[in-house]
Amino acid sequence: NAGVTQTPKFQVLKTGQSMTLQCAQDMNHEYMSWYRQDPGMGLRLIHYSVGAGITDQGEVPNGYNVSRSTTEDFPLRLLSAAPSQTSVYFCASSYRRGGQSQQFFGPGTRLTVL
Amino acid sequence: AQSVTQPDIHITVSEGASLELRCNYSYGATPYLFWYVQSPGQGLQLLLKYFSGDTLVQGIKGFEAEFKRSQSSFNLRKPSVHWSDAAEYFCAVEDSSGGGADGLTFGKGTHLIIQP
Repeated sequence: NAGVTQTPKFQVLKTGQSMTLQCAQDMNHEYMSWYRQDPGMGLRLIHYSVGAGITDQGEVPNGYNVSRSTTEDFPLRLLSAAPSQTSVYFCASSYRRGGQSQQFFGPGTRLTVL
Repeated sequence: AQSVTQPDIHITVSEGASLELRCNYSYGATPYLFWYVQSPGQGLQLLLKYFSGDTLVQGIKGFEAEFKRSQSSFNLRKPSVHWSDAAEYFCAVEDSSGGGADGLTFGKGTHLIIQP
C-alpha cells in the first residue's frame, strides 16, 4: 500500500493563480481531510469529507474548495492564490472502528505564493 | 468547540535527562488523544494514542503519556532523551462522539531542543 500520497511536493505560485493539490489514499478509508501548517500555529483543519460526494468546512476554509468524487481522491483547489496561503498542506485519511480511530497523513505539499 | 493547549513553545533538555511535554485540552467529554512528532522538513509521525481504559499509554521510541481526566491533561514523557528526539511535538484531540469524520484539533506544538 502506498498509503496517502500528495502531489506536488513543492509549488510556487503568483498571486491570483489557481492550482489543485492532489491527494489520494489506497486504504479504502471513508474519511479524508486537509490541514495547513503554519509556524507557531500547529495544524488547522481546512476541509474534510465523510465519504464520496460529501464534504464540509473545517476551521479555516476560506479561499479553498474541495470535492470528493471517489473514495480514493480528495483534491484541494485554490481558485485565486494569495500570499496568506503560503503554507505546508497535509492531507489525511482516517477510519473509526470499534471505538478506535487513526489518521494517516501524507508527506505534505509546501506552497509558496508570491 | 474543543481546543488544545501546549503551554511550552520551546523546551531545552540535556541528552540523557528526562522529558515531560504538557498538553491540556478543553472538551465536554473524554476525547480521543494523540501525540505526534515532526522532524524538520518531515511529515507527522504518530507517537501514541489514547481512546479509553488504562490511562498510561505506551508509544514508540520509548515515549509514554498519561491521561488525567481531573486535570484535562495528556502529558508526554520520556525517561531519557536522545539527540534524535529533537523535533516538534504536537498534541491533538478528536471528538469521540463525532464519528471520526471531522478531523483532529491540534495544539500549536512544542519545539524540543536537546543539549549535548
